[in-house]
Amino acid sequence: QKEVEQDPGPLSVPEGAIVSLNCTYSNSAFQYFMWYRQYSRKGPELLMYTYSSGNKEDGRFTAQVDKSSKYISLFIRDSQPSDSATYLCAMREVYNQGGKLIFGQGTELSVKP
Amino acid sequence: DSGVTQTPKHLITATGQRVTLRCSPRSGDLSVYWYQQSLDQGLQFLIQYYNGEERAKGNILERFSAQQFPDLHSELNLSSLELGDSALYFCASGQGGNTGELFFGEGSRLTVL
Repeated sequence: QKEVEQDPGPLSVPEGAIVSLNCTYSNSAFQYFMWYRQYSRKGPELLMYTYSSGNKEDGRFTAQVDKSSKYISLFIRDSQPSDSATYLCAMREVYNQGGKLIFGQGTELSVKP
Repeated sequence: DSGVTQTPKHLITATGQRVTLRCSPRSGDLSVYWYQQSLDQGLQFLIQYYNGEERAKGNILERFSAQQFPDLHSELNLSSLELGDSALYFCASGQGGNTGELFFGEGSRLTVL
């Protein structure tokens, strides 16, 4: 079993839809949770960053972390064609001196005009 | 532009050969991370260096090695290449530690024929 599980999709939605992306994980030591966005042929870029449980909002994006369920989500409101990309969740332990991130498989999102 | 520079962008080589991938981190970042991205495995952590020293190791094959030089640039050496080594290799840099964001380069696409 992978440490981080993410549905690879692909996920196709119409413009303006609310998108929900999710990851589950098995390592209870994870405390830092991130969402990266990766456009085709580009490197991943950080979208959202959350420490421990709770919600964080940034414009049309909301990240949620439920540590009791080992479940994190990213919501995209009023989705736009420019949001079409692969979304990767990533996690890190607190006492991991290496600071390495463990990534999910990535979910490919397509927003149709 | 993340500020992380990777060369070469594309590389085609034959089985059994050896290649070197190069990474220049963002100005001021002391940590360099190497990741391998393939379609079936997603982003896999290979190795991390912090200020010239190896800090963390992932599932890096013995045929692969890396180093970080005094000027903080890093090289990933892949030897005795196999078809299965074909992938995108990403370098990321960051401040190191638990809370820092990782900034990714645009990757080096390796094709082994």
